[in-house]
Amino acid sequence: GQQLNQSPQSMFIQEGEDVSMNCTSSSIFNTWLWYKQDPGEGPVLLIALYKAGELTSNGRLTAQFGITRKDSFLNISASIPSDVGIYFCAGRRGKLTFGQGTILTVHP
Amino acid sequence: SAVISQKPSRDICQRGTSLTIQCQVDSQVTMMFWYRQQPGQSLTLIATANQGSEATYESGFVIDKFPISRPNLTFSTLTVSNMSPEDSSIYLCSVEWRGGLYNEQFFGPGTRLTVL
Repeated sequence: GQQLNQSPQSMFIQEGEDVSMNCTSSSIFNTWLWYKQDPGEGPVLLIALYKAGELTSNGRLTAQFGITRKDSFLNISASIPSDVGIYFCAGRRGKLTFGQGTILTVHP
Repeated sequence: SAVISQKPSRDICQRGTSLTIQCQVDSQVTMMFWYRQQPGQSLTLIATANQGSEATYESGFVIDKFPISRPNLTFSTLTVSNMSPEDSSIYLCSVEWRGGLYNEQFFGPGTRLTVL
């Protein structure tokens, strides 16, 4: 079946630092989505990517759809304490397949 | 975007009982999904809730354990039947919603289930 490898599993950073996380797969996906999940909440959609090579920004967030359609990355610039949470990548080809998540901790 | 609500937000249940979770969307959507998120884990698709027909289940999930209803384009229910402690998870409703040119997928706040 389709599997996504998301890394890193967790990150501990200082406020103001930049963050980068990525997802890779052996399968091709038509869409890549990035979500953030806060404790006790459902995942919230951050960025959606629909074309290979597409680079999209949403405020301090930037994500890219890999040219091979098998990978994607998410960057967060100038992190702030409210960036804390679990970030999930998800690829869609038919149904949505999720990565294992990256737990982000930001120290003030 | 679509706004999704779920009831209950959390529950503690005894083993052997059943719980029905409701999902309400503020607009009509074609595709609705149910996911399970076990403690500390990622999201796993249980089934696609089809309006007017039986749900489509993923491998490892069966209708007898997770019966689903989809009576209209804004509402669905998931029942967790004959519960055991292994069913303790967050259950999430999700919808596919057309935002402009493309379909996006949104999630409800989840139902946190603890089975004793």
